This record gives sequence, structure tokens and C-alpha cells, in this order.
Amino acid sequence: GENVEQHPSTLSVQEGDSAVIKCTYSDSASNYFPWYKQELGKRPQLIIDIRSNVGEKKDQRIAVTLNKTAKHFSLHITETQPEDSAVYFCAASKDSSASKIIFGSGTRLSIRP
Amino acid sequence: NAGVTQTPKFQVLKTGQSMTLQCAQDMNHNSMYWYRQDPGMGLRLIYYSASEGTTDKGEVPNGYNVSRLNKREFSLRLESAAPSQTSVYFCASSRSVLSGNEQFFGPGTRLTVL
Repeated sequence: GENVEQHPSTLSVQEGDSAVIKCTYSDSASNYFPWYKQELGKRPQLIIDIRSNVGEKKDQRIAVTLNKTAKHFSLHITETQPEDSAVYFCAASKDSSASKIIFGSGTRLSIRP
Repeated sequence: NAGVTQTPKFQVLKTGQSMTLQCAQDMNHNSMYWYRQDPGMGLRLIYYSASEGTTDKGEVPNGYNVSRLNKREFSLRLESAAPSQTSVYFCASSRSVLSGNEQFFGPGTRLTVL
């Protein structure tokens, strides 16, 4: 089955700097890669996603890149702000009648003032 | 719209006790899911229901049962709770189980088994 590995497990960056979180997946048939953000004590919420037919997607300060050959994808946050402090989860899934999203183990991002 | 709701928010059980976690969604979604979240392990799928009337096992189904009561409601039952089931449980729903459909999560239930 699919296996998703996420690194680093914790990340601390200075406010205003960029943050990068990386994930690798094992199943080459996976074609959908969402990223979820979970603030302390809150529920996970989708922040951005990418499908396997594109290599990069941006939404304001957030971008996701995908390398299908290497089977890895990354989340990039630029000009980090205090409200970016949270746990971020990557995930992967594939088209099938019984598709299940497999989540990475999460990255705790802290923004230093 | 309330989105996805879960009850209770907190629960403490003794080993061997049983309980049911309730989940409901008002977004007319077809698919619903139960996850558990443990420190350093992300979200792991326990059971899911692709559509009303169907349920399937996820990654970690042992010790749990589910019921898709109707399109809105999906419950998770612990028949004989064990300390290893101490976790935060999230219910989620999506328009379809097919890849590419955003999952919307409930607020979670924090369960402690003593």
C-alpha cells in the first residue's frame, strides 16, 4: 500500500523567512496530493492541493511542487507570519472506487518573532 | 451550516468499558471517515464509508466497529476500550471517496482510557 514520509518533524523559522516541508510517497499510481494545516487544538483544514498533471501550484504565500519521477512533493511558505505556526500534514491518494488518503506524520512549524 | 459535528468532545473510560462516538455532517456528502491522531503518527484511517449503506476497513480497524446510520451520520464504537485506544478521534466527510475530493473534518473527540 501507499506510504507517505514527511520531513522534518519540527521546523523553526524566523518571521519573514521561508519554510519548506518535504514529503515522499511510494505508490507511483498516486495522483492527488493535498496539504492540511492543523492549528493547536483545532481540526485539520485543507490549505492547498496538487494533482499529478501539474508540477507547481501557488496560492498567495503558499506553493506546492511535485516531482513525479522522484515521487516527492514539497510545501513552500514564503514571508512567514506568526499565524503560520501550526502542524502541517501532507497526504497522497489515487483514483479508485475505494481511494483512501494516506497522511504523512506531520511537521510542527514554529515562527520565531 | 454546522459542517461536521462530533460528540462528545472529551471522554474518559476505564479499560473494558464501551462507548460510541457520534458524527454528523450537513453538507450532503456521500463519504465519511473516522481517523485517530496520535503524537508523531499523523492521521490514521480507522474505517470509512464510501456511501450510505457501505463501510470498509482502513489502516487500523482492530478494536473498532462503525455504523453508517444514514447519509448524515457515521458512528464509531469501541466495544471494550484499551489504553492503546487513548487518542484524539476525528470524523471527516467528503463529496466522494474518489481521489481529489477535499475532506472536511470535525472538531475531534479526545478519548482517554485508563
